[in-house]
Amino acid sequence: AQSVTQLGSHVSVSEGALVLLRCNYSSSVPPYLFWYVQYPNQGLQLLLKYTTGATLVKGINGFEAEFKKSETSFHLTKPSAHMSDAAEYFCAVTAAWAQSWSGGGSNYKLTFGKGTLLTVNP
Amino acid sequence: GAVVSQHPSWVICKSGTSVKIECRSLDFQATTMFWYRQFPKQSLMLMATSNEGSKATYEQGVEKDKFLINHASLTLSTLTVTSAHPEDSSFYICSARSGGAGEQYFGPGTRLTVT
Repeated sequence: AQSVTQLGSHVSVSEGALVLLRCNYSSSVPPYLFWYVQYPNQGLQLLLKYTTGATLVKGINGFEAEFKKSETSFHLTKPSAHMSDAAEYFCAVTAAWAQSWSGGGSNYKLTFGKGTLLTVNP
Repeated sequence: GAVVSQHPSWVICKSGTSVKIECRSLDFQATTMFWYRQFPKQSLMLMATSNEGSKATYEQGVEKDKFLINHASLTLSTLTVTSAHPEDSSFYICSARSGGAGEQYFGPGTRLTVT
């Protein structure tokens, strides 16, 4: 079984300040990790993902995240917040092994955290 | 690339009627599609996983006779909410998996209001 914990349901930063959104995961198998962003009344947009290889991954809109296996963490950061970054952010995990075969689709399902609402103050 | 659309974007229906929501992958073939439900200010709850040409796999607690899912082709999955009730009002989001490293591409969501 897998789970995701996002620390802080609401994070507020000033425009230009560092953004840090925390995500810890639990997985009995090697994980694939994702960060998604959701704007009001819209679907989810993939920001970045970790699968294999480099543990520091860069995504869209200046975001990046670092996979730390020893800490079971995948925190999302952005050096300088912009007003347009205000949104809900979801961390998600899936089992890496499930991606290597074309078996039952339910093995690909994502487990989401509860989300973190980012507010950016002018 | 990897665009997923949903139709309609919002729908209002009367209690007791059925409503169908379509999910399409526009520029890729999706062997697996997922249906989620999201309540206000909450995370996404997976309802079911559908594979093209086979029956959907429902998550525990989701009524398969109420939420009918059909994955008729590699680019289309539909969710039909049968005999809708006000408690079915929610934001329904679909996603499609394009293979590879497992990310899902999400549709824009459908806001269902049952009166």
